[in-house]
Amino acid sequence: EIVLTQSPGTLSLSPGERAALSCRASQSISVAYLVWYQQKPGQAPRLLIYGASNRATGIPDRFSGSGSGTDFTLTISRLEPEDFAVYYCQQKDGSSWTFGQGTKVEMK
Amino acid sequence: QITLKESGPTPLKPTETLTLTCTFSGFSLTNAGVGVGWFRQTPGKAPEWLALIFWDEDKRYRPSLKNRLTITKDTSKNQVVLTMTNMDPVDTGTYFCAHYNGYNSLFQFWGQGSLVTVSS
Repeated sequence: EIVLTQSPGTLSLSPGERAALSCRASQSISVAYLVWYQQKPGQAPRLLIYGASNRATGIPDRFSGSGSGTDFTLTISRLEPEDFAVYYCQQKDGSSWTFGQGTKVEMK
Repeated sequence: QITLKESGPTPLKPTETLTLTCTFSGFSLTNAGVGVGWFRQTPGKAPEWLALIFWDEDKRYRPSLKNRLTITKDTSKNQVVLTMTNMDPVDTGTYFCAHYNGYNSLFQFWGQGSLVTVSS
């Protein structure tokens, strides 16, 4: 099973700052199957990025994804108040899906 | 507009069987490439994928839970049902269903989640 490790566990930033979230896979994965979600308390995950770098419908362009192989990054260029949440990466391996443990972006 | 909503009884007692229903609208589970998946999440933890059923009745299960899970669909009712046997307090959490797009392998649309509590 491919393990996804996200870092840091918590990111303390102020609105307007840039956030860079890392997702590292235990073995190389296809960029086609690397996805990022945002989740707020009491809500379902919201799809942000698919195929490692493609924004989902309605996602602001301050969100961007990059990476390949085993190292992937979600970048939020300028944090807005509504961006403070937990972010998960997810990958598909055969017919199984796994998530990273999440990065919490909290307001400093 | 695609929407999904989970429903099911709670609380449950240990060893009981959980039956969760996902009722959806805005798509048909008879269309090629479409599926509905189930996930669960305990507080403070990442979501965990459980099962997926495709339009053609193909099914996938989380290997570690395969012996306890069954996923079925009723296309006439636009529903997908997940059963999990031998429930334990560690199975307590929020259970989500989600629309699966097989062409880009995405779970894009999610239900609001259903809290399941297992307690004696």
